[in-house]
Formats: sequence, C-alpha cells, structure tokens
Amino acid sequence: GENVEQHPSTLSVQEGDSAVIKCTYSDSASNYFPWYKQELGKGPQLIIDIRSNVGEKKDQRIAVTLNKTAKHFSLHITETQPEDSAVYFCAASRSGAGSYQLTFGKGTKLSVIP
Amino acid sequence: DAGVIQSPRHEVTEMGQEVTLRCKPISGHNSLFWYRQTMMRGLELLIYFNNNVPIDDSGMPEDRFSAKMPNASFSTLKIQPSEPRDSAVYFCASSPLSPVEKLFFGSGTQLSVL
Repeated sequence: GENVEQHPSTLSVQEGDSAVIKCTYSDSASNYFPWYKQELGKGPQLIIDIRSNVGEKKDQRIAVTLNKTAKHFSLHITETQPEDSAVYFCAASRSGAGSYQLTFGKGTKLSVIP
Repeated sequence: DAGVIQSPRHEVTEMGQEVTLRCKPISGHNSLFWYRQTMMRGLELLIYFNNNVPIDDSGMPEDRFSAKMPNASFSTLKIQPSEPRDSAVYFCASSPLSPVEKLFFGSGTQLSVL
C-alpha cells in the first residue's frame, strides 16, 4: 500500500518568513495530493491540492510543487502570519473510479512567532 | 451548511463501558469516513461507507469497534467494551465526490477512557 513520509514534524518560523513542508510517497500510481490544515480543537480542512499532471499550483500565499520522478511534493507558505500556526498534513491517493483511500502523512506542527 | 456535525465533543468514560460516537454528514454527501487520530499513529481510517453501505472496515481495530449508517444523514461508531488504549480523537468526514477526493471533517470527539 501507499506510504507517505512528512518532514519536518515541527517547524518554527518568524512572522513574515517562508515555511516549507516536504512529503514523499511510495506508490507511483498515486495521482492526487491534497494538503490539510488542522487548527487546535478542529478537524483537518483542505487548503490546496495538486494532481500528477501539474507540477505546481498556487493560491495566494500558499503553493504546492510536485516532482513525480522523485515522488515528492511540498507545501510552501510565504509571508507567514500567526494565523498560519497549525498542524499541516499531506496526503496521497489514486484518484480513479471507486477510489477512496487517502493516505496521510504524520503531520507538521507549524508555529509562526510574531 | 453547518458542515459535518459530531457529538459529543468530549467523552470521558471508564474502562469497560460502552461508548457511542455520532456523526451527521453534510447533506448530499454520499461518502462517509470514520478516522482515529493519535500522536503515535496519526490519522487512521477506521471505516468507509458509500451510500450508507460499509465498503471498507479493514481499519477497525478489533471486534470491540462497530459502525453503522442507518440512513444518509446519520452514522454511529460504537466501542464496547472500551479500553484505555482507545483514547484518541475520532473524526467523521464526508465527501460529495466519486472518486473520493475532498474530505470535509467534523470537529471530532475527544475520547478519554480511564
């Protein structure tokens, strides 16, 4: 089955700096890679996703990159703000008829220091 | 829409007692998931329902765990008897799409078994 490794497990940055979280996956058939943000006391919330036919996707201050050959993908947050402090999870799946299994990384706790 | 609604938010019980967690998915979503979150194991898929039918329960730890979805708007996860190692946050998530991609999580139930 799929295995997703996520690094680092904790990350502290100064407000305004950039943060990068990296994930690797094992199943070359995986083609859908979402990122979830979990704030304290809440459930994970989808913030951005990327498919294997795209190398990069951007949404305001967040961007994701995908390297299919190396089987790794990354989340980039620029101009970090205190409200970006949360736990971030990457995930991977085979998106196709009947598919449902998302494999999550263990999470990265991001702390943005004002 | 109110989102995925879980109850209770917190549950404290004694070892050996029966615990029932409840979930109301987003109206119109035909896929429902129960996840368990712990520091050691991260987010684990327990069971997946599609159109109220259990499709994959391979993540259910043991026979003490059971889940039902009697209709499209309600699901329960029951643990009987509960054990201290069951202490975790339990999330319900629903999805409108097939194949499943974007998950909408509830706020979770924090379960403590003493």
